[in-house]
Amino acid sequence: AQSVTQLGSHVSVSEGALVLLRCNYSSSVPPYLFWYVQYPNQGLQLLLKYTSAATLVKGINGFEAEFKKSETSFHLTKPSAHMSDAAEYFCAVTPSLNTPLVFGKGTRLSVIA
Amino acid sequence: GAGVSQSPSNKVTEKGKDVELRCDPISGHTALYWYRQRLGQGLEFLIYFQGNSAPDKSGLPSDRFSAERTGESVSTLTIQRTQQEDSAVYLCASSPEGGRAKNIQYFGAGTRLSVL
Repeated sequence: AQSVTQLGSHVSVSEGALVLLRCNYSSSVPPYLFWYVQYPNQGLQLLLKYTSAATLVKGINGFEAEFKKSETSFHLTKPSAHMSDAAEYFCAVTPSLNTPLVFGKGTRLSVIA
Repeated sequence: GAGVSQSPSNKVTEKGKDVELRCDPISGHTALYWYRQRLGQGLEFLIYFQGNSAPDKSGLPSDRFSAERTGESVSTLTIQRTQQEDSAVYLCASSPEGGRAKNIQYFGAGTRLSVL
């Protein structure tokens, strides 16, 4: 069975500072991993995905994530936070394509001016 | 193009009443998913439709929950005899079977259900 743990339900950073949102997964098979972002009163939008190609994945809005099998991690980073990055971020895992995703509980990112 | 559309956006109901939530997936998407998002929680999988295959109902929390899908189009999630613990945002997602966007789930804005 797959599971996802997101460390920190709330992360606060200053504008221009590094963003690091942590995600660790548990999977009995090579996983497919995703990061989604949810802005207030909106649905989830895909930021990036890992599907067994390059371990460093670049997504939209300047975000990227690195798949580290030895650490079972898929942390999300952005070099410089912008006010518009304030949102809820969800990490998700699935064992195969076109199957339901297993989500973490989410991390709310606040950006301070 | 049009995204995943869900209606209503908000629903307030009394305990014990039945509710129906609707999802219009992106045209041509063969897979459709329902998830539930409770306050402060991640998304919980409810049910999954893939083409004409039998749906995966393994995530439905009780027999009060059911869902139908007409072909590869609209889906309806029905909750009978609603309870206060059913209060949540119900999210629908669809994904295509192939192409570059394969396995990318596109989400609707959700239906916020409040059971009083």
